[in-house]
Amino acid sequence: DQQVKQNSPSLSVQEGRISILNCDYTNSMFDYFLWYKKYPAEGPTFLISISSIKDKNEDGRFTVFLNKSAKHLSLHIVPSQPGDSAVYFCAALYNNNDMRFGAGTRLTVKP
Amino acid sequence: SQTIHQWPATLVQPVGSPLSLECTVEGTSNPNLYWYRQAAGRGLQLLFYSVGIGQISSEVPQNLSASRPQDRQFILSSKKLLLSDSGFYLCAARLGALSYYGYTFGSGTRLTVV
Repeated sequence: DQQVKQNSPSLSVQEGRISILNCDYTNSMFDYFLWYKKYPAEGPTFLISISSIKDKNEDGRFTVFLNKSAKHLSLHIVPSQPGDSAVYFCAALYNNNDMRFGAGTRLTVKP
Repeated sequence: SQTIHQWPATLVQPVGSPLSLECTVEGTSNPNLYWYRQAAGRGLQLLFYSVGIGQISSEVPQNLSASRPQDRQFILSSKKLLLSDSGFYLCAARLGALSYYGYTFGSGTRLTVV
């Protein structure tokens, strides 16, 4: 039962342009959403999060948008840099229990 | 700060052999601990989680097991490995009950079953 879905396995953008990574979820009880960044052979690292009572959270070049009615969230990276190339995982929390992850999207930022 | 140690970093094991992966946590007490697996081309699958010593919950029935003999130690084991057990295994910890920064992950173990 995949409650968190990232339908795009990969995304390629040019340096300096915007990267938009998408995530959909099915469980309306999720109350917190997070994005993680993962480099090869390393553990994921926390990037940014958003509470279900908000629709936007911004941290530097990273902004997460939440559309609860559509059960959809997205991560915007502006401007994209080559060092942003990694796999990005969307995750969701319900009632402070274990986290559910999407399948990940591999972002490649070309110089 | 919270630090998670996992070892070994890589492991190649024959089918049918036993497995023991260890994870230890520093900088916190009574953390929630998790084992995840990332199979090739797939997302992070939760295998086990533990809210305290000796307390293990399993998410997916399989030939793997987990144990928590000490507060900050989490072990993933198998008596007989299968080819399908190959993957990237990650230990994770969450500090306290209200941590909206999610989990802290270890550096992972790449397991190849041959």
